[in-house]
Amino acid sequence: GAVVSQHPSRVICKSGTSVKIECRSLDFQATTMFWYRQFPKQSLMLMATSNEGSKATYEQGVEKDKFLINHASLTLSTLTVTSAHPEDSSFYICSAVGGGGNNEQFFGPGTRLTVL
Amino acid sequence: GQNIDQPTEMTATEGAIVQINCTYQTSGFNGLFWYQQHAGEAPTFLSYNVLDGLEEKGRFSSFLSRSKGYSYLLLKELQMKDSASYLCAAPLSNTGKLIFGQGTTLQVKP
Repeated sequence: GAVVSQHPSRVICKSGTSVKIECRSLDFQATTMFWYRQFPKQSLMLMATSNEGSKATYEQGVEKDKFLINHASLTLSTLTVTSAHPEDSSFYICSAVGGGGNNEQFFGPGTRLTVL
Repeated sequence: GQNIDQPTEMTATEGAIVQINCTYQTSGFNGLFWYQQHAGEAPTFLSYNVLDGLEEKGRFSSFLSRSKGYSYLLLKELQMKDSASYLCAAPLSNTGKLIFGQGTTLQVKP
């Protein structure tokens, strides 16, 4: 149980285009999902908290107009990187809180974004 | 503020034991997680400590001292596949957010 999927796993796009990444909790409902970004040889950096039915909460320094987050249902959150640039190339990982008492986050497999 | 420190890199020999330390400073305490992450993959859960002491789970054990703000991950009988990054993470009080340390890259050599 507690499986989280992401789609796509890899995406290559041209500079200036927008890319949508989906995060789904497959066998549980997640009222809260998190989006992280990870650059090579660095740790995960939290970008935003996605709450079902409400606006996402962004961490300091993360542009909400550039990284659009929609948590449309209890099993789906999407991250759209708008007008992507090469510096947005990174590994994007989502996680979902499973509802257990220990706040354990279940991570998706990640999406490798490369912007040319 | 919140701060989590881990060594950046460690090297150990196949079959040996290695201890990866983590010190943390958080406002409020809601337990401590350890994750394993292989290159290009998402983190996978290893352990969660909320009480002081050692918790053993197969070849991996995790220790916590809340009074010292200190935890370690102990890996026994190291295998080549244990080469990965090991992330220490602490939840922020009542937010569900996880704050990660920078991760320790472990290289297991034959």
